[in-house]
Amino acid sequence: DVKVTQSSRYLVKRTGEKVFLECVQDMDHENMFWYRQDPGLGLRLIYFSYDVKMKEKGDIPEGYSVSREKKERFSLILESASTNQTSMYLCASSALTGAGEKLFFGSGTQLSVL
Amino acid sequence: GESVGLHLPTLSVQEGDNSIINCAYSNSASDYFIWYKQESGKGPQFIIDIRSNMDKRQGQRVTVLLNKTVKHLSLQIAATQPGDSAVYFCAENFVQFYFGTGTSLTVIP
Repeated sequence: DVKVTQSSRYLVKRTGEKVFLECVQDMDHENMFWYRQDPGLGLRLIYFSYDVKMKEKGDIPEGYSVSREKKERFSLILESASTNQTSMYLCASSALTGAGEKLFFGSGTQLSVL
Repeated sequence: GESVGLHLPTLSVQEGDNSIINCAYSNSASDYFIWYKQESGKGPQFIIDIRSNMDKRQGQRVTVLLNKTVKHLSLQIAATQPGDSAVYFCAENFVQFYFGTGTSLTVIP
């Protein structure tokens, strides 16, 4: 089974702190994604990466950056955390199947910024 | 931007009954659709997918129906069980994935 592992299940941070969210996948997938999930809004794409050291902005990249130094690891960075970044963060990797590109998600990190 | 919507935020069904969860998508060019299940405290889990050149696909106890004319997707769960209680959301793919907001399914024993 595909395994996407997010390093923290819950995080509590202070406003202005620099926050690192880590994600590792074990299936040698090239594509990796960071989403945030908020009630009533669905999943929104923050950043994605198609290869090592490559990154692309998603729909809501402001206030975030990412790092992909190794194929299996994709990190999301909140440079200076703010209260409106309190959310569930979901990492995903994808594989092309006969039907289409299938996303596999981690368990999520619930981040609270106080 | 894209808009993917689910018709009902909550749905309650009796154990053993069939469940139908609906989703409307906005982009007629979307060519691939996925249904996900998200249990409390867990990440979304793939249930079933369908390409736009199909109108029906069946899995184990689940069926996805696609109506491209009205841009509508539905997930049918047969003989719903307590373990099916979760949030279900659809996703459409056109260049990237766009997700619905989810329907919370509660199964009443």
